[in-house]
Amino acid sequence: DSGVTQTPKHLITATGQRVTLRCSPRSGDLSVYWYQQSLDQGLQFLIQYYNGEERAKGNILERFSAQQFPDLHSELNLSSLELGDSALYFCASSVEGLDSYEQYFGPGTRLTVT
Amino acid sequence: AQSVAQPEDQVNVAEGNPLTVKCTYSVSGNPYLFWYVQYPNRGLQFLLKYITGDNLVKGSYGFEAEFNKSQTSFHLKKPSALVSDSALYFCAVRDMYSGGGADGLTFGKGTHLIIQP
Repeated sequence: DSGVTQTPKHLITATGQRVTLRCSPRSGDLSVYWYQQSLDQGLQFLIQYYNGEERAKGNILERFSAQQFPDLHSELNLSSLELGDSALYFCASSVEGLDSYEQYFGPGTRLTVT
Repeated sequence: AQSVAQPEDQVNVAEGNPLTVKCTYSVSGNPYLFWYVQYPNRGLQFLLKYITGDNLVKGSYGFEAEFNKSQTSFHLKKPSALVSDSALYFCAVRDMYSGGGADGLTFGKGTHLIIQP
């Protein structure tokens, strides 16, 4: 158990809908990352938040957005969903410092768009 | 831009034999390198990392990896494979100078490791 929690585990929704995925980082970790894993694209970095502020952006679509709240949990919002958005979405967290930087991953949320 | 290549989609090894899973990387500066393992329907588990220092890095479950700067490689190794090592293995990289803090990792496509009894 990495200490990173994600809810829900599974989500089935229709095209055009909007969903919210939730992540709670490990205790003490200030950074939260979101990744998408699909058969086509592999594992792709979407976005990073650090202590409530956006730190880095990867291959995140404009239909997707995220935020990190004062209690450090994070939410990934996916809107106008398309069939191609079906994937496993992972959240990871890390503590930053010298000789650190490994990220610890949650169990993921499997999104199915029908 | 940074990238990672895992040239083998699948590696088959007999139980008890040594195993190697290959990884090469490309970054503009100095790399931070990582190996993760993914079991079916599970998240990624951190195995080991290279940040600086000794080129041979030891990690969890008896795995180790050797950083080779001239060959830009970071191969994962284990002296004696177990059937329970069968899983999907990912190599990942981050450029040390990509910005303040720990930015997102760039992952390879993954290598399926199959250990045969």
